[in-house]
Amino acid sequence: GQQVKQSSPSLTVQEGGISILNCDYENDMFDYFAWYKKYPDNSPTLLISVRSNVDKREDGRLTVFLNKSGKHFSLHITASQPEDTAVYLCAAGAWAGAKLTFGGGTRLTVRP
Amino acid sequence: ETAVFQTPNYHVTQVGNEVSFNCKQTLGHDTMYWYKQDSKKLLKIMFSYNNKQLIVNETVPRRFSPQSSDKAHLNLRIKSVEPEDSAVYLCASSPNTGQLYFGEGSKLTVL
Repeated sequence: GQQVKQSSPSLTVQEGGISILNCDYENDMFDYFAWYKKYPDNSPTLLISVRSNVDKREDGRLTVFLNKSGKHFSLHITASQPEDTAVYLCAAGAWAGAKLTFGGGTRLTVRP
Repeated sequence: ETAVFQTPNYHVTQVGNEVSFNCKQTLGHDTMYWYKQDSKKLLKIMFSYNNKQLIVNETVPRRFSPQSSDKAHLNLRIKSVEPEDSAVYLCASSPNTGQLYFGEGSKLTVL
């Protein structure tokens, strides 16, 4: 089965609103969690990441929340902009390992 | 600025032919990867090399074989392609901080 899952394939938000993207994982050994952004016909690029020793990390309009007991992490984008429209991929892995497992992606659309 | 280079970016071939994709990174990273993005846009890891050594080998058909001449290069050879091999193949490298730097992708179409 899929070790990293994004249950919502799509999300639409009004400009200025908050976008909340969710990700669930299965492997207890995962201690590194990341969000990648992907535009059509482009490759994914890293947005933000956290290690398991913290449960929250902020970077500008982006915040990652990590819930290890629930095996869940999320990305919050405040003051969403139309240029935030893209596919967002969550990813998780073991820090010491060499394998990052990706979720299926959530297509975020921010309407003006 | 692109620092992970893949060639070719597109390739169309027929069932049974052999295909090779090349990947080179100029970032000085020790670890390189091949991921497959299928028709559902799901990214799945295939192989990972650290300094020319194979460290991750997921369950992929035997017709897929990675080749690394040095830590900056990781090629992917597919012997006798099948229709289900149609996908985008993404090469990536990492400085072992967790962050992956992806190439532009190589789209394979098997007729």
